[in-house]
Amino acid sequence: AQKVTQAQTEISVVEKEDVTLDCVYETRDTTYYLFWYKQPPSGELVFLIRRNSFDEQNEISGRYSWNFQKSTSSFNFTITASQVVDSAVYFCALGGGADGLTFGKGTHLIIQP
Amino acid sequence: GAGVSQSPSNKVTEKGKDVELRCDPISGHTALYWYRQSLGQGLEFLIYFQGNSAPDKSGLPSDRFSAERTGGSVSTLTIQRTQQEDSAVYLCASSLMPLTNTGELFFGEGSRLTVL
Repeated sequence: AQKVTQAQTEISVVEKEDVTLDCVYETRDTTYYLFWYKQPPSGELVFLIRRNSFDEQNEISGRYSWNFQKSTSSFNFTITASQVVDSAVYFCALGGGADGLTFGKGTHLIIQP
Repeated sequence: GAGVSQSPSNKVTEKGKDVELRCDPISGHTALYWYRQSLGQGLEFLIYFQGNSAPDKSGLPSDRFSAERTGGSVSTLTIQRTQQEDSAVYLCASSLMPLTNTGELFFGEGSRLTVL
């Protein structure tokens, strides 16, 4: 069975601080895909990134960066110089086949001005 | 439309009544998923449609839940004899191709169901 754990239920930081959201996953699949989604207060989930299990290169997109470590089954997400607009619930998800994704319970990120 | 459209956005019903939730995926998307998001919880997979294949119903929590997808496009999720624990936001997502081909999921804004 697949499982995604986001141990941080809520994080609160002051604007401009860096913040890392943790994600640990479990799967028996040898090929799988990892995702991060953002859910702003409006409710609609927004895709941020997909990472294939065979590609361990870390990725940076503007203020966002992702650290994929297969050895520790982790796919952590860092926001540099956080902004109030980053406030949202962030979900890590795992997909290994044709089924829907397995989502973590989400981390509620609060950026205080 | 440009995105995944769900209706109604909000539904309040009495315990024991049936409800239907509708999802209109992005045009051309072959895969369609239903998820349930309860307060403070992650997203729970319910059912998956891929093209004209038989749906994967492995996530449906009970036989009161059913879903269909007509003509490979619009989908309806039906909950019969609703219970208070069915209260949640029901999210629909579609993708251009199955996730095995690394398709990205596009989500609707959800249908918030409240069972009194």
